[in-house]
Amino acid sequence: EVQLVESGGGLVQPGRSLKLSCAASGFTFSDYYMAWVRQAPTKGLEWVASISYDGGSTYYRDSVKGRFTISRDNAKSSLYLQMDSLRSEDTATYYCTTADNFGAFDYWGQGVMVTVSS
Amino acid sequence: DVVLTQTPPTSSATIGQSVSISCRSSQSLLDSDGNTYLYWYLQRPSQSPQLLIYLVSKLGSGVPNRFSGSGSGTDFTLKISGVEAEDLGVYYCVQGTHDPYTFGAGTKLELK
Repeated sequence: EVQLVESGGGLVQPGRSLKLSCAASGFTFSDYYMAWVRQAPTKGLEWVASISYDGGSTYYRDSVKGRFTISRDNAKSSLYLQMDSLRSEDTATYYCTTADNFGAFDYWGQGVMVTVSS
Repeated sequence: DVVLTQTPPTSSATIGQSVSISCRSSQSLLDSDGNTYLYWYLQRPSQSPQLLIYLVSKLGSGVPNRFSGSGSGTDFTLKISGVEAEDLGVYYCVQGTHDPYTFGAGTKLELK
């Protein structure tokens, strides 16, 4: 059974940093692109970042470029999101997802909440 | 960025009724590789989103065949043939043809 378990969320002040982790199991992690998708409270979904199988290629939405860094450790079957210079508009539930060969986000974690507030 | 416009914003249905949700894109979603990277997701209350449809009309793993997708270019439709109670929630269309991925605003399916 595919499992994606996010951790590392919490309350953080504007301008500070936070690192999210996603532990994957039940599939061959290195065979999948991975992504982070977020959802602000009572809002819709928004793609944040993606990473290739070996981590050699990364992709970001414009609003997080230069502030967020997506990475992975295939030996540990883990995905990460380093979030620096956090803003109030980054407040959201962050989901870890797999991305299949057709670009579909086919498996999702339960999500982790990040609140940016003073 | 590509804008996806979903209609209606809310749909009320009885169990067994068929419903359709429209998704219109601000640009053609036909990729140069011949694929159209249009997906549909369902987010049930307090749950993570679930993939229903990929590449416009292909059913995701384990998705019941009462769900179907159609369309091309800029106009797409998700149809549920015989709504069941477990189908209630918010439906999102998503495009992956143009960078960045973008999501529609969602269509909430409620019980009438």
